[in-house]
Amino acid sequence: AQTVTQSQPEMSVQEAETVTLSCTYDTSESNYYLFWYKQPPSRQMILVIRQEAYKQQNATENRFSVNFQKAAKSFSLKISDSQLGDTAMYFCAFRDSGTYKYIFGTGTRLKVLA
Amino acid sequence: EAGVAQSPRYKIIEKRQSVAFWCNPISGHATLYWYQQILGQGPKLLIQFQNNGVVDDSQLPKDRFSAERLKGVDSTLKIQPAKLEDSAVYLCASGPAGVTSYGYTFGSGTRLTVV
Repeated sequence: AQTVTQSQPEMSVQEAETVTLSCTYDTSESNYYLFWYKQPPSRQMILVIRQEAYKQQNATENRFSVNFQKAAKSFSLKISDSQLGDTAMYFCAFRDSGTYKYIFGTGTRLKVLA
Repeated sequence: EAGVAQSPRYKIIEKRQSVAFWCNPISGHATLYWYQQILGQGPKLLIQFQNNGVVDDSQLPKDRFSAERLKGVDSTLKIQPAKLEDSAVYLCASGPAGVTSYGYTFGSGTRLTVV
């Protein structure tokens, strides 16, 4: 069974600084997708960034980038130039190519300090 | 485009009572999901619909939970009777048909408190 592990329950970062959130996963599949979702107090899950496992190039979306290490089954999220609006829960999620089901990690609560 | 609509936003009930949640997905989205998110945990899939058919309900506690998606559009999730451990946020998400690398769109959820 696939599992997703986020080992950092809480993190904080100063505004304008860079922070990295960790995520590891376990699967026997070779083709899958990985996602980072942001969940602010409004509770809506917002897609931050996604990565296809067959792509070696790390995904980037503006201030957000990932470090995808397929052999190590690691998928970390780097937030550059942190902003107060980045304060939220961040969830790492896995989905294999044959199903529609997400497997979520337990989340990392990020607080950006002014 | 309009997002995924869910109602109510909050609900407080006593244990053993029944409750229903409603979800209206993005227009044209064939796939609809209900997730349960207990405080401090990541969301857990309860049930997945493709149009009005159930694709996966393996983690749905069928003795007390039920869900339907009539006409392949709106969906309701019901709990009867509720237990204290059902206190959670219930998230609905929708996506287009076919497996896609894109993430799905989530609603803002219903926070259920069972007392």
